[in-house]
Amino acid sequence: DQQVKQNSPSLSVQEGRISILNCDYTNSMFDYFLWYKKYPAEGPTFLISISSIKDKNEDGRFTVFLNKSAKHLSLHIVPSQPGDSAVYFCAASVGNNDMRFGAGTRLTVKP
Amino acid sequence: DSGVTQTPKHLITATGQRVTLRCSPRSGDLSVYWYQQSLDQGLQFLIQYYNGEERAKGNILERFSAQQFPDLHSELNLSSLELGDSALYFCASSPGGGAYGYTFGSGTRLTVV
Repeated sequence: DQQVKQNSPSLSVQEGRISILNCDYTNSMFDYFLWYKKYPAEGPTFLISISSIKDKNEDGRFTVFLNKSAKHLSLHIVPSQPGDSAVYFCAASVGNNDMRFGAGTRLTVKP
Repeated sequence: DSGVTQTPKHLITATGQRVTLRCSPRSGDLSVYWYQQSLDQGLQFLIQYYNGEERAKGNILERFSAQQFPDLHSELNLSSLELGDSALYFCASSPGGGAYGYTFGSGTRLTVV
């Protein structure tokens, strides 16, 4: 039961360019969406979130877009930096309970 | 240090055995969540506790059980272990309710041999 899907297991971009990570979901009851970043040997760390009443949330170089009709969200990183290289997980929940995660996308930012 | 403490960090055990993973949530957080990450897999939600009560259940096997104690720490018990149970087990906590991100611990790596 994969309610949150990240179809790209990996993404490689050049330093300074835009990174776009995509996520699709199937459960229309989800009302809160988040992105987490994970480095090796560490737990995931919260990056940015968006509630279902918004379609965009920006925090510095990170912007999350939500398209409810398409059940799709994306994370934009501009400009990308080598330190952004990590695994990014998309997550969704109903009222912060039972949060479901995607399989993750490994981002590599090349200098 | 995220404030969520998981012990032990590494655990190696034989098939058929039983282990207990421990999690201390961030101070003030009432909710605890357990996730399993197998090799190259995403985070699979196992179970959530809120202030000692089970709140939500995910893909948790019957061989697995969990509880949250009055001091809010939680334990995940895995029994009759199989090779396929080898994974990273993460605990996360949140204040509970509302739109908060979870704070994750650094995980326990379980290897079943």
